[in-house]
Order: sequence, then C-alpha cells, then structure tokens
Amino acid sequence: DGGITQSPKYLFRKEGQNVTLSCEQNLNHDAMYWYRQDPGQGLRLIYYSQIVNDFQKGDIAEGYSVSREKKESFPLTVTSAQKNPTAFYLCASSIVASGGVKDTQYFGPGTRLTVL
Amino acid sequence: AQKVTQAQTEISVVEKEDVTLDCVYETRDTTYYLFWYKQPPSGELVFLIRRNSFDEQNEISGRYSWNFQKSTSSFNFTITASQVVDSAVYFCALKRSGTYKYIFGTGTRLKVLA
Repeated sequence: DGGITQSPKYLFRKEGQNVTLSCEQNLNHDAMYWYRQDPGQGLRLIYYSQIVNDFQKGDIAEGYSVSREKKESFPLTVTSAQKNPTAFYLCASSIVASGGVKDTQYFGPGTRLTVL
Repeated sequence: AQKVTQAQTEISVVEKEDVTLDCVYETRDTTYYLFWYKQPPSGELVFLIRRNSFDEQNEISGRYSWNFQKSTSSFNFTITASQVVDSAVYFCALKRSGTYKYIFGTGTRLKVLA
C-alpha cells in the first residue's frame, strides 16, 4: 500500500539530547513537510522540501534541522536548542503543483515526543 | 492576512444526531483552496475534502456534507446521523493558490456518545 510512515510512534528524550524522527513515503511525491502540533492548537509548519537536496524553513524552524537526500525520506532532528520540544510531530507529502487537486497534503501517523 | 477560525472548541452529541462544524476563513486572495481533515485518536490526519474558491457547489459524500459560502467566508461541515466512529478532532485549513503553505484552524473536538 502507498502511504507515509513515521517512526517511532513514541519517543522519549532527555534534556540536552538531539533526537531524529523518521518520515518515509512511497507515494512518489516530490514535496514533504514537517508540522508540530501542541494540545488545543492547529498545526504549525517547521520545514518543507519541494525537491531532493533542497528545503526551506517554515514558521517555527528554530531548534530543528532536516535533510532531504532521497525523494522518499525527510528526517527531522530535534536539537537541544529547541526549548520546548514535547509535542506531536506530523509529516506530510504532496505532489508539487501550482494548483488543482494534486497538491493536497497527505499525512503520516505522527510521532509523539516527550522530553523527560 | 490569512486566518482560519474554528470557534467551536468541543462539541458533544448523542449518536444519530446531526452536527455541524463551523469554519470561517480570512483571505484577500481570489483564488484559494479550503480543506477539511479528520484526526482520530490514533493521531493521523485523514484528508476529507478539498474545495477551490471558484466552486461554491455544496458537496455530499455519504453522511458528510460541506457548505461553502464565499459571501460569509465560511466552509461548514455537517455530519448527518452521527456515529461513535465520527469522534475525532476536525481541522479546517486554507491554502493560497501557488503556495505550499496550509493555514490550519485550531480544530474542533467532536465527541459522539452512544
């Protein structure tokens, strides 16, 4: 089945540690995104990538880093510089298009990160 | 400025009742796209519908229907004969034409009681 996988589902981190969240898609989508969700809030964009080896900061990129070495993969690293990393992280992907139905974003199951 | 408002934080209904989730958006663009997503307890956002700004026809899909009114900048979502499996958080989102960015509302938590 085509889709987006995120691992792990739950992640615990000690303060001061970096941690990497995995996101893989087999939808042949060019664009991939990372969002952060906090309780009672909407989704906020961390980073996005429209093509391999290229990515841009979203609204809340501070304390995060990404890479896009393969079309299928877009890992997110939460660094120790992120002051409040406990949240639910969602990865999404879409076709790159200027409009129309094709650029709808589809989401993975998410990773819940807790800092101890 | 682009903004999406979902004023209903939480709604509780009894099974088989109809329920409408409100979404009001702000944009100065003439071309834009509106979305509804469902987030069940498992966490994944499930795409429900996309509507572009030129298409004001209401949409019906089984028990789900959507009412898009540009005059009031609203894109409301109605579930008919609600079921317990409809319990989830529902998000409305806005996207400008030619951009990547979605602007999400804060979501409405729907609880359907048996």
